[in-house]
Amino acid sequence: DAKTTQPPSMDCAEGRAANLPCNHSTISGNEYVYWYRQIHSQGPQYIIHGLKNNETNEMASLIITEDRKSSTLILPHATLRDTAVYYCIVRVVRGSNYKLTFGKGTLLTVNP
Amino acid sequence: DAGITQSPRHKVTETGTPVTLRCHQTENHRYMYWYRQDPGHGLRLIHYSYGVKDTDKGEVSDGYSVSRSKTEDFLLTLESATSSQTSVYFCAISGNLAGAAEQYFGPGTRLTVT
Repeated sequence: DAKTTQPPSMDCAEGRAANLPCNHSTISGNEYVYWYRQIHSQGPQYIIHGLKNNETNEMASLIITEDRKSSTLILPHATLRDTAVYYCIVRVVRGSNYKLTFGKGTLLTVNP
Repeated sequence: DAGITQSPRHKVTETGTPVTLRCHQTENHRYMYWYRQDPGHGLRLIHYSYGVKDTDKGEVSDGYSVSRSKTEDFLLTLESATSSQTSVYFCAISGNLAGAAEQYFGPGTRLTVT
């Protein structure tokens, strides 16, 4: 699985958009970008994933650059409950490697 | 939220005692996983199951065994608990895609071995 690089921490004001970057310059053609988050003391939560087109769901939007070497997770209107560690993971949709490899992620703090 | 529960949510036990953690799902998903999370190590896969009675080892399986007699239940057993197994344990499930990266996690079990 390709390695990802994320800033260790970010701050965001409540109600504003939170834009979380992720670099994955060694991504392969069959690898997707997945985003998870982990709120303190809870289990990780799947957010969204994409291959090369931008994706949106009820939680967030995912913007992937044309060369696929980086992506941005956007929380359009951050709330205090969005304070969490956000993980960017790059891997194939399915495969013999069943595990998810979580790096250090980005601690997003949403401030009132 | 995916219907996943874990029990117990917290447990303190002594070194050398057996411990069983339970994961229960109501989603009828085929694949189930046990991870542990420790500071400095992130999440690490212990065992996984790809169907009833079908299980396989993950990256840190030593000292752990699992069983799955029903689709909805996946049990993790520490035969003889050690202090190094103090951790937070998460169960996860995924649908019918083998090795799927879209996994849904339970709330976790915090285990302390004294």
